[in-house]
Amino acid sequence: AQSVTQPDIHITVSEGASLELRCNYSYGATPYLFWYVQSPGQGLQLLLKYFSGDTLVQGIKGFEAEFKRSQSSFNLRKPSVHWSDAAEYFCAVGSSGAGSYQLTFGKGTKLSVIP
Amino acid sequence: KAGVTQTPRYLIKTRGQQVTLSCSPISGHRSVSWYQQTPGQGLQFLFEYFSETQRNKGNFPGRFSGRQFSNSRSEMNVSTLELGDSALYLCASRRAGLETQYFGPGTRLLVL
Repeated sequence: AQSVTQPDIHITVSEGASLELRCNYSYGATPYLFWYVQSPGQGLQLLLKYFSGDTLVQGIKGFEAEFKRSQSSFNLRKPSVHWSDAAEYFCAVGSSGAGSYQLTFGKGTKLSVIP
Repeated sequence: KAGVTQTPRYLIKTRGQQVTLSCSPISGHRSVSWYQQTPGQGLQFLFEYFSETQRNKGNFPGRFSGRQFSNSRSEMNVSTLELGDSALYLCASRRAGLETQYFGPGTRLLVL
């Protein structure tokens, strides 16, 4: 069965500093990988996705992520964090089978930004 | 193009009652999935509907059910509510054959 681990429950960074959020997955086949962001009381907004091809993918709001098959990782990065980036970030792996499809999520990493 | 919409946004119910939540997918999206989000368990897959058929169900009791209509709108129902059903219920839609799901704002259910 697929699983996603986000080792950091809470990260605090200063505004303008760089950011890296870690994500490790377990999945038998080539994974569909996603990062979503959730602001308080809101739904999930898609930041970026990886299906195949170039292992460095660009997303919205200046985020990027790198897929490393050898490490089963899909870490999210941003070179300079803005106060508005404070939110909770979820890594997810998509899996299909028997005509169905579902996302399996990590527990999330809450990002706090110090002005 | 309008996003995924969910109604109502907030609900308060008491134990033993039942509740119905509604989800309208993005136009052209025929797959609708439901997820439950709680502080303890995180985001968990409930079920997926496609062309009015339930394709898969997560590890939830039979009290959780759903359906999909011919216009792809979906409802989920929880009967005999328990305190532990308090959660944010998220609906997501995707286009057939594509793997990217788009989420609605959620319905926050509080069971007292």
